[in-house]
Amino acid sequence: AQSVTQLDSQVPVFEEAPVELRCNYSSSVSVYLFWYVQYPNQGLQLLLKYLSGSTLVESINGFEAEFNKSQTSFHLRKPSVHISDTAEYFCAVLFTGNQFYFGTGTSLTVIP
Amino acid sequence: DSGVTQTPKHLITATGQRVTLRCSPRSGDLSVYWYQQSLDQGLQFLIQYYNGEERAKGNILERFSAQQFPDLHSELNLSSLELGDSALYFCASSPRQGYNSPLHFGNGTRLTVT
Repeated sequence: AQSVTQLDSQVPVFEEAPVELRCNYSSSVSVYLFWYVQYPNQGLQLLLKYLSGSTLVESINGFEAEFNKSQTSFHLRKPSVHISDTAEYFCAVLFTGNQFYFGTGTSLTVIP
Repeated sequence: DSGVTQTPKHLITATGQRVTLRCSPRSGDLSVYWYQQSLDQGLQFLIQYYNGEERAKGNILERFSAQQFPDLHSELNLSSLELGDSALYFCASSPRQGYNSPLHFGNGTRLTVT
């Protein structure tokens, strides 16, 4: 069965420190990969996506994620976090057949 | 603004009642998805519609039903409500089936069953 695993449910990190949020998925067939961010009392917003091409994708607010086909991973990184990055982050995978699968989410808390 | 509109934003009702949640997808999007988000179960896929037809079913209870109308808006009907149905209900839309487009989410309807 297809699945998406976010290994860390909660990640506390100090302001200006680097962070990595991990995401692994179950299949090595063609996939499309996404990271979403959810701020309190809001819906999920698309942060970045991998559809094809370069395996490293970036968002406008400094996050990046790298598609690693051999490890079936799509980890999210930021070299220096800000207080405003505190939010819930969801990894999502679109497998063939047009079915989206979401991870259980990682709660990122940035500590001043 | 994702372009996906959900109404109402908040809903408080009693056990045993029935409610209807409404979703208007982004202009041009044919596919609508419904998700339930609760603290203990995370984000759960309920059901997907594409151009008026049901395309996929997830963990949707028999007490719940949905439909997509000719103008592409969708409604999620929840009946015989229980306390455990209290959650955030999200609608998301995408352009068309088989297309590698991300989902765009509305801001959700927060349902509280008392």
